[in-house]
This record gives sequence, C-alpha cells and structure tokens, in this order.
Amino acid sequence: EIVLTQSPGTLSLSPGERATLSCRASQSVSSSQLAWYQQKPGQAPRLLIYGASSRATGIPDRFSGSGSGTDFTLTISRLEPEDFAVYYCQKYGNSRPMYTFGQGTKLEIK
Amino acid sequence: EVQLVESGGGLVQPGRSLRLSCAGYGFTFDAYAMHWVRQAPGKGLEWVSSISWNSGYIDYADSVKGRFTISRDNAKNSLYLQMNSLRAEDTAFYYCAKDFSGSSWYYFDYWGQGTLVTVSS
Repeated sequence: EIVLTQSPGTLSLSPGERATLSCRASQSVSSSQLAWYQQKPGQAPRLLIYGASSRATGIPDRFSGSGSGTDFTLTISRLEPEDFAVYYCQKYGNSRPMYTFGQGTKLEIK
Repeated sequence: EVQLVESGGGLVQPGRSLRLSCAGYGFTFDAYAMHWVRQAPGKGLEWVSSISWNSGYIDYADSVKGRFTISRDNAKNSLYLQMNSLRAEDTAFYYCAKDFSGSSWYYFDYWGQGTLVTVSS
C-alpha cells in the first residue's frame, strides 16, 4: 500500500511569499495519478492539480505542480490571502487501494 | 453548474445503521464514477468507497468493508451509502465526489458540501 507523507505539517508564510509544499510517496507513483486539493475551513475540498502538473478548471496560474516517482511538489508562486488553507495530495488509479490521501499541510498566515 | 448535495447524516448509536444520499445536478450522472470520502472532525481526508458508472465495479476501504454498501440509482441521479454496524470511529463528515471519468479511476473534480455522521450513545 502506498503511503503519502506531506511536509511540512504547517507552513507559516506572509501574503506575497512563495509556498512550496511536498508530498512524498512510499513507492513510485505514476505522475499521471497524483492530484492536489485545497480545503478551507467549513468547506469541501477543491481540486487544484491533477496528473501532477495540470491545473484544474478555474485555478489561477500562481498554483503549479511538479514531480515524479516518489517526490511531488505544489508551489504557490505569490500567496494571496485566500490561499491560506489546508492542502492534500492524493494518489489515484487502478492499483488497490485506488485512492490514498496525504495527511495534509496547513498553510497559515505568518 | 455541477452540484452534489448530500443528506441523511445525523446522530446514531453504536451498532445501528444509517443511509446517506447524494443527489447530482448539472451533469450527466450516469456517465461518471462516484465516490464517498470522509473526514473526522479536525482530521484529514479518508477515501471510503467508489462505484463505476454502471455499478459494475465497486470498491471499499478496508476500514469499512463488510459494513458499508455503496449503490447508485442513475434514474434518480443519486448515490447512496448504507452504513451498518456503526462505530464511534465512523464519526465524520461524509462527502460525495464525482470522478473525472466513468469507467476508470481518476481524480475527484467536484465535491458536495458534506453531511455529518456522529456515532455516539
């Protein structure tokens, strides 16, 4: 079973700064099977990135994803106030278990 | 506009049953796989179960296998989760989510707002 480990657990930054969030897999993950979600308090998760690097519909281009194998990264180039939230990576695909989430990274205002 | 609306949550005693529903709007419901994901209060996301567009393929997380049953009624644009033998650790917000695809397993492109299930005596 693939385990996704996100780091850091909490990231404290200021608006305008660059955020780099990590997702490390215990086994190699196809880059076509890695997604990122954003969740704000009291809201459902929202898809940001799929296929490791493709932005979902309506997602601003300050959000970008990269990586392959066991190491994946979500980068927010210049933080806006609305970007402070919890971010989850997800492995998806046909191998069981089909879906695995990382434990999340909380991005908080410094 | 795609909308997913969950219902059926509430307070239930350990060992009892509950059935969640999810109504889909704004998309061709019977063309897509659907999923349930849960989140214990203050915790992370946990995949629960998935069903293909025609109910031909179903899968469960080990934590709920044998106790939960996923189903769908495409004529009613609805997804269900029958939860039996509920435990305190099943307490969570339950989200339904739409798959990007119908017959394979991809990412979740739309989510409902969730319904809270509390298992307590």
